[in-house]
This record gives sequence, structure tokens and C-alpha cells, in this order.
Amino acid sequence: AQSVTQLGSHVSVSEGALVLLRCNYSSSVPPYLFWYVQYPNQGLQLLLKYTSAATLVKGINGFEAEFKKSETSFHLTKPSAHMSDAAEYFCAVTPGYSSASKIIFGSGTRLSIRP
Amino acid sequence: KAGVTQTPRYLIKTRGQQVTLSCSPISGHRSVSWYQQTPGQGLQFLFEYFSETQRNKGNFPGRFSGRQFSNSRSEMNVSTLELGDSALYLCASSGPSGGGEKLFFGSGTQLSVL
Repeated sequence: AQSVTQLGSHVSVSEGALVLLRCNYSSSVPPYLFWYVQYPNQGLQLLLKYTSAATLVKGINGFEAEFKKSETSFHLTKPSAHMSDAAEYFCAVTPGYSSASKIIFGSGTRLSIRP
Repeated sequence: KAGVTQTPRYLIKTRGQQVTLSCSPISGHRSVSWYQQTPGQGLQFLFEYFSETQRNKGNFPGRFSGRQFSNSRSEMNVSTLELGDSALYLCASSGPSGGGEKLFFGSGTQLSVL
């Protein structure tokens, strides 16, 4: 079975500061891991994904995430926050390549950016 | 290439009514999944359709149903609406093989039940 836990329902950082959003997963088989972003009044958009290749994954808008099997983590980072990064971020897991119905989403982390 | 289109964008209904939501996936995508999003429960999987067949179903009552047409467009129906059905309903499509490696989401239908 798979599950994902996002630590912190709300994170606030200053513009220009490091963004760190935490995600831990549980999976009985090698997982695929994802970060999605949701801007106000919109659907979710894929930021990046890990599918068993390189453990450091680069995504859109300057975000990246590192798959750490020993820590069962897939934290999302961005070196310098921008006001436009304010949104809700969802970590998700699937048991490797599988149908869309197998994807499990975390509860989300709302990112606020202070001027 | 057009994205995932959901209609209508907003709906207001009263308890006991029924509602039908529509989703048009990206051209060539055969899988359509539906999710309910609420502040308290997050994203909850409703069902997935692939090539007109329901491939999986989440833990929702039978009042929630769906279907998929031969052109991959999908509809979901909620009968006998309850106040707790107020939510953002999102649909997502994925590639020709229907794998979950990348989902493309629509902007959702915001349903308010009064």
C-alpha cells in the first residue's frame, strides 16, 4: 500500500528566501513520486516527477526535489521564492507505473510569500 | 493542443436535486479520472474511466456515478444532492496508455449545494 504525508499545512517564507516543502512517503514497491501545484481557482499542474531515474529531479519554475530512499522523503525546494510561487502544493505517490486511479495525493501545503 | 475542459465552471443546486458535470480530455487521451476536493478532506478519488470502461472506483456512495463516451469525454452525475457534496470537482486525463505518470487537470467545477 502507498501513502504520503506532507509536513505542514501552511508554510510562509519571505520573497527571495529558500522554499522547502516536506513530503514523506510509504510504499511497498518502488514508487513513482510527484509534486503538483494548484494556483487559486485552477486545477493541478505537474511540477516534477521521479520515476526511478536520477534521484535529483528538476521541474518547472525553478523547483527541484530529491528522492531519498533511506529517509523515504521527496522534499520540494526552490532556492529563491517569488511572489508568483504562492499556491498550494501536493505531493503524490503511485506504485511504479500504474493507472491514474492508483495515485495517492497528500493533504497539501499552502505556500505564502511575504514581500 | 487544447487542455482539459470542464463545464460548467460553477453550479449552485439545492438539496435533493441532481447534477451532471462534464469533462473533455486532451485529444488522444483515453483515461479520465474524477476527484472531489474539499478543504477538510483534500483530494479524494472518485472514479477512473478508460476506453469507456470504469477501471476503478473510490469510496463514495452510489449517488455518485459516471460514464465515458466513445470520444473519451466523460460525465459524472450526483443524485439526491446533500450539503456535504459541496466541493470542487476536478477531472484529469492521462496519456494514450492511461498511465498515471502525468495527469492533466481541468480547472474544475465548483459545486455549491444549498
